[in-house]
Amino acid sequence: EAQVTQNPRYLITVTGKKLTVTCSQNMNHEYMSWYRQDPGLGLRQIYYSMNVEVTDKGDVPEGYKVSRKEKRNFPLILESPSPNQTSLYFCASTRDRGDEQYFGPGTRLTVT
Amino acid sequence: DAKTTQPPSMDCAEGRAANLPCNHSTISGNEYVYWYRQIHSQGPQYIIHGLKNNETNEMASLIITEDRKSSTLILPHATLRDTAVYYCIVRFKAAGNKLTFGGGTRVLVKP
Repeated sequence: EAQVTQNPRYLITVTGKKLTVTCSQNMNHEYMSWYRQDPGLGLRQIYYSMNVEVTDKGDVPEGYKVSRKEKRNFPLILESPSPNQTSLYFCASTRDRGDEQYFGPGTRLTVT
Repeated sequence: DAKTTQPPSMDCAEGRAANLPCNHSTISGNEYVYWYRQIHSQGPQYIIHGLKNNETNEMASLIITEDRKSSTLILPHATLRDTAVYYCIVRFKAAGNKLTFGGGTRVLVKP
């Protein structure tokens, strides 16, 4: 089954404790993205990747890092999480620009 | 990307067709109309997209007016599982993979 998986689905952590949210897709897609969704602010792109070792900033990259060492995986790293990064995070992938995007189930992160 | 306007909410009876309007009066010639939906806090789900011709797939139909300034997403036989927020997005295909979701229409399907 074609899918995007994210782990963990729920995470509660403390300020400053490094964490990684994993994202994996099994569709051999070139493009992958990370979004965060906050009430009243909609979905905002954090980082995206056009292929292995090619990444670029989205609209809200501050405080986040990503890597794309393999085509299928696109982890999101928070080196020093802060409470304003409490949010619902989605990973997405697409075969090509403008094609339909497949979203993961989401990771609900709380930073205290 | 062109801006879109959607009604904030609408109700629909189970088994009936749901017609969701979207205005995009500033759409340019090469911009596509995309529809996604999001069922409560789940990942957004792609529904359909089109440029100028009407489109149909297993989920829905997309009707785009001749002047392309508005469109309608039709869910032919709404079920309770279609309760979600529906987003109409207008964008260039070559604009990259960023999606910008507006307010959307909150659709409640009632038994």
